[in-house]
Amino acid sequence: LAKTTQPISMDSYEGQEVNITCSHNNIATNDYITWYQQFPSQGPRFIIQGYKTKVTNEVASLFIPADRKSSTLSLPRVSLSDTAVYYCLVESGGGADGLTFGKGTHLIIQP
Amino acid sequence: SQTIHQWPATLVQPVGSPLSLECTVEGTSNPNLYWYRQAAGRGLQLLFYSVGIGQISSEVPQNLSASRPQDRQFILSSKKLLLSDSGFYLCAWSVRRGMNEQFFGPGTRLTVL
Repeated sequence: LAKTTQPISMDSYEGQEVNITCSHNNIATNDYITWYQQFPSQGPRFIIQGYKTKVTNEVASLFIPADRKSSTLSLPRVSLSDTAVYYCLVESGGGADGLTFGKGTHLIIQP
Repeated sequence: SQTIHQWPATLVQPVGSPLSLECTVEGTSNPNLYWYRQAAGRGLQLLFYSVGIGQISSEVPQNLSASRPQDRQFILSSKKLLLSDSGFYLCAWSVRRGMNEQFFGPGTRLTVL
């Protein structure tokens, strides 16, 4: 089971770039790294997924170093609506190992 | 397009009463289905997952059970609720584990008094 560690909370301001790092020292060869966003009283929403190097989509980038023991979610030019809890998830291909979201990182964006 | 439904949205139940939460998925076939619970101020905890009709895997021993009577229907049940069962229950589906995203339902807020 690849356990993940994230900061409990982070603060930033509108227009800034925010980087949230997740540690997963025990990641397995067939594990993927997935990030979700959750607003209060809603289910998590998929943001981005990657295996190695860099992945970019319309809302975020995901940086994964060569050893894959950590990953960084990068949110460019955040706005107030980006205030949410962000979860890092390491998923393996079999069973439900890794499907524990943990407490995530509570990101608070201020004006 | 695919959609996932959960009901009820909110529920208040006395200790010792039974529970039945329902989740249905539309627009896809043979999905993987999941039940999660989120207690106040805590992360999401996987309770059950299913890869097919009648196939249920339990992640956490507890007084809850799950069933999948149809391909796109997932039910969470309890015979006798405990105070500690209070929380936000989320159902999710995915096409394939490990490589695809999970899609979450709107959730059920359960309060056990």
